[in-house]
Amino acid sequence: NAGVTQTPKFQVLKTGQSMTLQCAQDMNHEYMSWYRQDPGMGLRLIHYSVGAGITDQGEVPNGYNVSRSTTEDFPLRLLSAAPSQTSVYFCASTKSRYTEAFFGQGTRLTVV
Amino acid sequence: AQKVTQAQTEISVVEKEDVTLDCVYETRDTTYYLFWYKQPPSGELVFLIRRNSFDEQNEISGRYSWNFQKSTSSFNFTITASQVVDSAVYFCALFTGGGNKLTFGTGTQLKVEL
Repeated sequence: NAGVTQTPKFQVLKTGQSMTLQCAQDMNHEYMSWYRQDPGMGLRLIHYSVGAGITDQGEVPNGYNVSRSTTEDFPLRLLSAAPSQTSVYFCASTKSRYTEAFFGQGTRLTVV
Repeated sequence: AQKVTQAQTEISVVEKEDVTLDCVYETRDTTYYLFWYKQPPSGELVFLIRRNSFDEQNEISGRYSWNFQKSTSSFNFTITASQVVDSAVYFCALFTGGGNKLTFGTGTQLKVEL
């Protein structure tokens, strides 16, 4: 069982570059979300989706875009990378809003 | 607004000691869910437990136990007879329907030494 798959695992970007972090789940979960993890700050919600075609902002959405065209995929786009976006990014999916989240392995992003 | 506070940034214990990780939450919703996740040094996030706001029963799973007290808005996690493999960062999290999102605490780094 693949669960939640994130790619890439590591990425270095130059300031101003754009990129897409991929996230796919094979559990037919409706609810998907993106978090960033920074030292001493826990995990903070960037964007989330309650189903295909529906997305909403989380706690720290600035500089990021998402879309949800299928149930399986929930990519996160960095429009113009900044050093402040250096972080570890986690994608998660849940069967319903109240159930436990399954997380991907994370993407360590460095913006120089 | 919802908030989760894990006041203990780092805890160090010697193997076989018992250790309690504190979690205090804030929400105005009457229906909510509390979670604990473990993040070992390898970096993945592992689900440990979920508890809803209507179920105040304590939970025991092997060496792990959880104490949910609505009166003090706390959901504490105790590891009995800790082992080196318990070394990890532990996150407490809160989900409310009103907020429609999972809010994490800042985590507690647990180090278990021989």
